[in-house]
Amino acid sequence: RKEVEQDPGPFNVPEGATVAFNCTYSNSASQSFFWYRQDCRKEPKLLMSVYSSGNEDGRFTAQLNRASQYISLLIRDSKLSDSATYLCVVNPEGNTGNQFYFGTGTSLTVIP
Amino acid sequence: EAGVTQSPTHLIKTRGQQATLRCSPISGHTSVYWYQQPLGLGLQFLLWYDEGEERNRGNFPPRFSGRQFPNYSSELNVNALELEDSALYLCASSRSNRGRNSPLHFGNGTRLTVT
Repeated sequence: RKEVEQDPGPFNVPEGATVAFNCTYSNSASQSFFWYRQDCRKEPKLLMSVYSSGNEDGRFTAQLNRASQYISLLIRDSKLSDSATYLCVVNPEGNTGNQFYFGTGTSLTVIP
Repeated sequence: EAGVTQSPTHLIKTRGQQATLRCSPISGHTSVYWYQQPLGLGLQFLLWYDEGEERNRGNFPPRFSGRQFPNYSSELNVNALELEDSALYLCASSRSNRGRNSPLHFGNGTRLTVT
């Protein structure tokens, strides 16, 4: 089983729509979770860190569900500029230390 | 605060040659990670350095190697280049800690083309 799994999409949504992505992780002891955004042929950029029960930053809300071992990203009022690939990243703790596990990414296209 | 810097931006090599890619982490970050991303595919973990030592490596052949210098900058070497080594090579840095982890911060990447 993969450490992190994401629905690859693609998600095609109209401007102004609300869209949600889910990501599941296999290590129940995982403590740190992040969402990154990657534009085509560019480097991933940190979108949000996900803490305890979740957090919000403007139109973006990240949620963590430890019982079901998933994190989600909700984007409200989608903009054309939100079109990108969204990567879920999990960092389990333990003897392996600072290892990060990436999902394969979910592709989003916001349509005018 | 200066971000993660990588050089060169682009690198064109022929099959069988050797490539050297460089990375400078954010000031204060001691962990450096290398990832390979072929066009249209996901990130594949290559190497992780922390405090000058290799801590982990991904499922890549030994011709992929690297090192971390005392100033925490890092170098990735790829020997005997093959066509399938063509990819975007991304370097990322983070703070080294044994508790709550800090996120990764990526450089702009080096695009390696092997012909």
